[in-house]
Amino acid sequence: DQQVKQNSPSLSVQEGRISILNCDYTNSMFDYFLWYKKYPAEGPTFLISISSIKDKNEDGRFTVFLNKSAKHLSLHIVPSQPGDSAVYFCAASEYGNKLVFGAGTILRVKS
Amino acid sequence: GAVVSQHPSWVICKSGTSVKIECRSLDFQATTMFWYRQFPKQSLMLMATSNEGSKATYEQGVEKDKFLINHASLTLSTLTVTSAHPEDSSFYICSARPVALMGQPQHFGDGTRLSIL
Repeated sequence: DQQVKQNSPSLSVQEGRISILNCDYTNSMFDYFLWYKKYPAEGPTFLISISSIKDKNEDGRFTVFLNKSAKHLSLHIVPSQPGDSAVYFCAASEYGNKLVFGAGTILRVKS
Repeated sequence: GAVVSQHPSWVICKSGTSVKIECRSLDFQATTMFWYRQFPKQSLMLMATSNEGSKATYEQGVEKDKFLINHASLTLSTLTVTSAHPEDSSFYICSARPVALMGQPQHFGDGTRLSIL
């Protein structure tokens, strides 16, 4: 049973435009959500997080939105840059403990 | 800050060999470290949670005797794949969360690619 789902395996965006990566979850007990970026043969790099008491968190070009009623979160990258091309993982945890990851979305930013 | 070092980055060895992977938090202390495994084109799957000074907590389906975890200090956890076989070939990644606060993200090492011949 996949508790965290990223339904889009890949996304292609033009440089300068907005990238929107989506994530859905099923466990209503999750209270902390994170986005990680990963390059091949490397470990994930933390990007941004949000706790369940918020509905938006912004850090530079990255904004995460959380819709608890829909059990949905999204990562917006504006403006997208070629260096943003990577695999993006959504992750969720309950009480700050173990992370449950989605399957990832490959983002390609074309110049 | 919050750097996690994992060693070795790549291991190729014969079937039946035991392989030890180290995970170190370089600039922070971590009472809890996590070990993940990633198959090609799949997500990271948590194998076990490593707690300093106590036994690791394994996820369902992960063999404790196969994957030995030791967390002897606040900056070091090791994963030993015992009597490795080709089906153990995978990408293993550790992560650590700074002591102190919930809300601190886990920081990941760069992973170890294990290839068993």
